[in-house]
Amino acid sequence: GQNIDQPTEMTATEGAIVQINCTYQTSGFNGLFWYQQHAGEAPTFLSYNVLDGLEEKGRFSSFLSRSKGYSYLLLKELQMKDSASYLCAVKDSNYQLIWGAGTKLIIKP
Amino acid sequence: ETGVTQTPRHLVMGMTNKKSLKCEQHLGHNAMYWYKQSAKKPLELMFVYSLEERVENNSVPSRFSPECPNSSHLFLHLHTLQPEDSALYLCASSQGSTGVETQYFGPGTRLLVL
Repeated sequence: GQNIDQPTEMTATEGAIVQINCTYQTSGFNGLFWYQQHAGEAPTFLSYNVLDGLEEKGRFSSFLSRSKGYSYLLLKELQMKDSASYLCAVKDSNYQLIWGAGTKLIIKP
Repeated sequence: ETGVTQTPRHLVMGMTNKKSLKCEQHLGHNAMYWYKQSAKKPLELMFVYSLEERVENNSVPSRFSPECPNSSHLFLHLHTLQPEDSALYLCASSQGSTGVETQYFGPGTRLLVL
């Protein structure tokens, strides 16, 4: 079967750095997405990785290793507004999105 | 952000009621999706429409009936739902449905079935 694993919940301190991991087992791979979802709001697109390596976008970076079936989202200089759920999703060989259950990130002052 | 809108935002219904959820996208996309999001579970894809034709139906019970009258509008008709159908229902759209296009989501309808 197809599976996406990510931690259920993480806590970090304002101003710090946090890394949210995602591992996947899918039938084929056509890219990995990270979305941010604030409570009661729509998921919003953060990043897309299809090649190995690190993609940096401001305070957020996303890393991919296809051989390990692994990705992480790195958030730097954490702000209170970064408190949200972070969803990892992989496009399989049929270009269907397979979703993880999301990681709830709690930022403490 | 008003690219994808959904109404109503909240809905409470009894098991014998009939209601409809509405989604509208203003992005010029050709594909639209319905997802179910339950607490601490992955998003469940329910239906996919591409150019107003249903291209995917993931074994969804018949008490959920989608309708796509044009590429900008998507409906989900609900009847004789069960309490376990209570969830957040998200609509999304993308440029196409067969590649690596990014999906853009609406804010969702929070549904409670009593």
